[in-house]
Amino acid sequence: DAMVIQNPRYQVTQFGKPVTLSCSQTLNHNVMYWYQQKSSQAPKLLFHYYDKDFNNEADTPDNFQSRRPNTSFCFLDIRSPGLGDAAMYLCATSRGDSGETQYFGPGTRLLVL
Amino acid sequence: QQPVQSPQAVILREGEDAVINCSSSKALYSVHWYRQKHGEAPVFLMILLKGGEQKGHEKISASFNEKKQQSSLYLTASQLSYSGTYFCGTEIGDDKIIFGKGTRLHILP
Repeated sequence: DAMVIQNPRYQVTQFGKPVTLSCSQTLNHNVMYWYQQKSSQAPKLLFHYYDKDFNNEADTPDNFQSRRPNTSFCFLDIRSPGLGDAAMYLCATSRGDSGETQYFGPGTRLLVL
Repeated sequence: QQPVQSPQAVILREGEDAVINCSSSKALYSVHWYRQKHGEAPVFLMILLKGGEQKGHEKISASFNEKKQQSSLYLTASQLSYSGTYFCGTEIGDDKIIFGKGTRLHILP
């Protein structure tokens, strides 16, 4: 049973063309996270939602936005993708209390041409 | 703020043991360990909470020394399936995990 689902698994976009990645969860978790992971690097937190409260990391570029219309879904919007935005984008969820496990989706690999 | 992992890479023969260390400059609420295989998402291994504890999961166990702000992951009698990159993630009590740079583990038959 899939718990954290990401679509699409692979996304190809053109330089400067907006793209949206989606994440959904069946765990009813309060918190949803978006990470960016480049090759051979650690996952880097972009932002997270605690319920409807949006928390942006200080070094996340303005080019990255997020929406969470309901508990189950969260979207990552890249307004004007650059070549440097090519990466794996990971969505994760947790109950939200400190010390809780984060459950990762399979990721979306983004290629920018 | 990013935790420091050591070593960066390990090559073992099947059946050998390995230790991966993770240290932080900040007081920690919890330490999370994940394993990631190439092209896949990180898979949760275990979480250790402040208070100092040790946990085990088959032949993979971990310890957390809250005072030293350190955690270690122990892999005993390694199997080929243990190959991958191991990440420690540290939490300082704000619901966020900051991941270390990872330790690449390669098991030879």
